[in-house]
Amino acid sequence: DSGVTQTPKHLITATGQRVTLRCSPRSGDLSVYWYQQSLDQGLQFLIQYYNGEERAKGNILERFSAQQFPDLHSELNLSSLELGDSALYFCASTDGTGGSGSEKLFFGSGTQLSVL
Amino acid sequence: GQNIDQPTEMTATEGAIVQINCTYQTSGFNGLFWYQQHAGEAPTFLSYNVLDGLEEKGRFSSFLSRSKGYSYLLLKELQMKDSASYLCALPNTGGFKTIFGAGTRLFVKA
Repeated sequence: DSGVTQTPKHLITATGQRVTLRCSPRSGDLSVYWYQQSLDQGLQFLIQYYNGEERAKGNILERFSAQQFPDLHSELNLSSLELGDSALYFCASTDGTGGSGSEKLFFGSGTQLSVL
Repeated sequence: GQNIDQPTEMTATEGAIVQINCTYQTSGFNGLFWYQQHAGEAPTFLSYNVLDGLEEKGRFSSFLSRSKGYSYLLLKELQMKDSASYLCALPNTGGFKTIFGAGTRLFVKA
């Protein structure tokens, strides 16, 4: 158990809908990362937060947004969902800022999103 | 920008040794990670290299050559449970983000 909690584990919804994925980092970790992993593809970096502040953005669609709250949990909001958004969404945390190369990521078990 | 290349798939026999290669290009180097990911599960940390050379950790070893932009993960005494994807990753690329390669899917056969 990595100590990172993601909910829900599975989410089935229809095209055009909006969903929210939730992540609680390990106790004491200030950095949260979000990744998308489509079938048979690698982890695609979406966005990173440190102590409530957005630090880095990847190829995140405009239909997607995220935030990190004062209690350090983070939410990823996906709207106007399309079939292609079906994927496994991972959250990861580290105890650093993300600016040090040696910070290993601890991943949650992911949210499997199916858009029908 | 950053680029990471790994073979897509490899097959090896139980008890054997397998080497999974990773080549990379990056404008700023802050070390290289290897993660293991079983199908449908979360990636888990295997190793981190920042200096050239071999780091050994039990059955798993990781090698880095910064001048060649090259790393490999060596798995010895393969077990069936080693069947998984192995992800090469560059941390802190372009500021505060870790970029992953597409991963190498390893199949261990009896």
